[in-house]
Amino acid sequence: QVQLVQSGAEVKKPGASVKVSCKASGYTFSSYYMHWVRQAPGQGLEWMGIINPSGDSTSYAQKFQGRVTMTRDTSTSTVYMELSSLRSEDTAVYYCARGTARLGAFDIWGQGTMVTVSS
Amino acid sequence: EIVLTQSPGTLSLSPGERATLSCRASQSVSSSYLAWYQQKPGQAPRLLIYGASSRATGIPDRFSGSGSGTDFTLTITRLEPEDFAVYYCQQYGSSPRTFGQGTKVEIK
Repeated sequence: QVQLVQSGAEVKKPGASVKVSCKASGYTFSSYYMHWVRQAPGQGLEWMGIINPSGDSTSYAQKFQGRVTMTRDTSTSTVYMELSSLRSEDTAVYYCARGTARLGAFDIWGQGTMVTVSS
Repeated sequence: EIVLTQSPGTLSLSPGERATLSCRASQSVSSSYLAWYQQKPGQAPRLLIYGASSRATGIPDRFSGSGSGTDFTLTITRLEPEDFAVYYCQQYGSSPRTFGQGTKVEIK
């Protein structure tokens, strides 16, 4: 079945970086855009950015510009999101989500990865 | 950036009742690129509605979406026990994609 499986929970110190992976299966990986969305504890959903099917184009929310990098590896059907210069406010669940098109809703979501930033 | 404002913040209803959730955009959402998601505690969001009014695969017909421009509505005709959750609207027609702050539908 179509699914996105994310890497496990992470605990990081302030100033460190974290790299979260999202492995796709059950569909043609190279045909779909992928998004990253995060959710702080008890809060709403926040869009972080998008990577195109071939991996050569990204667009990030202004809030994360300079700190986030999204990449994808077609050989393993995996997308990655790396966030640097972590601070306590980055503590959140991070989700990958498949976009149905460049301008498309998010139809498949990963299970989420909890990232905790604490000294 | 398009700001989405959802109302009410919380809706207290009984099973079998009708739920009406509102989502208002700060500017027109192009081509009705408006979606609704359901999220239960500890779970990822699930796509319910896209294109303002089209149901996603496997979504029961008690869920319906309507609206255009800046005003959108999600209606659940008869609430089932599994429908008590948080609902988010999202616009995906421009960057940054944005979400509303959510409406919690709770059991009265």
